[in-house]
Amino acid sequence: DTEVTQTPKHLVMGMTNKKSLKCEQHMGHRAMYWYKQKAKKPPELMFVYSYEKLSINESVPSRFSPECPNSSLLNLHLHALQPEDSALYLCASSPGEAAGTEAFFGQGTRLTVV
Amino acid sequence: AQSVAQPEDQVNVAEGNPLTVKCTYSVSGNPYLFWYVQYPNRGLQFLLKYITGDNLVKGSYGFEAEFNKSQTSFHLKKPSALVSDSALYFCAVRDYPGGSYIPTFGRGTSLIVHP
Repeated sequence: DTEVTQTPKHLVMGMTNKKSLKCEQHMGHRAMYWYKQKAKKPPELMFVYSYEKLSINESVPSRFSPECPNSSLLNLHLHALQPEDSALYLCASSPGEAAGTEAFFGQGTRLTVV
Repeated sequence: AQSVAQPEDQVNVAEGNPLTVKCTYSVSGNPYLFWYVQYPNRGLQFLLKYITGDNLVKGSYGFEAEFNKSQTSFHLKKPSALVSDSALYFCAVRDYPGGSYIPTFGRGTSLIVHP
């Protein structure tokens, strides 16, 4: 299994809603990532978990809250988002922190904040 | 510090013709270089990487890339383009050993292959 699975594929939420994005991988990878991507732009790193501990937070607003319940799962909890948070949210994983390993990306969650 | 540049927003090529998508990089140590492709509303797919060894790297879907240390380049190539190759292509770099293990992505190049 060489897949990173993200759910849901699409999400529309109001600015007062609370929702969660989910990501799962069964490749035994120990590093997992959340990226935000706007149309025709490169992905922007949000968070990195390494061995289930948060290792990088790229100064992301607190309305985004990551969680890593176990080595296979990564969640992104959303609360009080703004319309400008609408984007494609990508999850990725890699075997670890070795620089020569490539990341495997999920298909993304298309988020629209209304 | 690690950085990467993709000088072209868009590349247009006719089906059957060779294609090149350009990438140049800047690192303090040794570059680890990657190419990813993204189809509309999908995640990024890994195409190929250069870590060490042969300067010509072969990857998925008939793509290859040539590492040129003197020109600090890692251009993506394919001998004969297909309409289905139309997508957004990202080059990424990691600086080893001193840089971040998190790759830095280029801004992306939109490849359009005309029938």
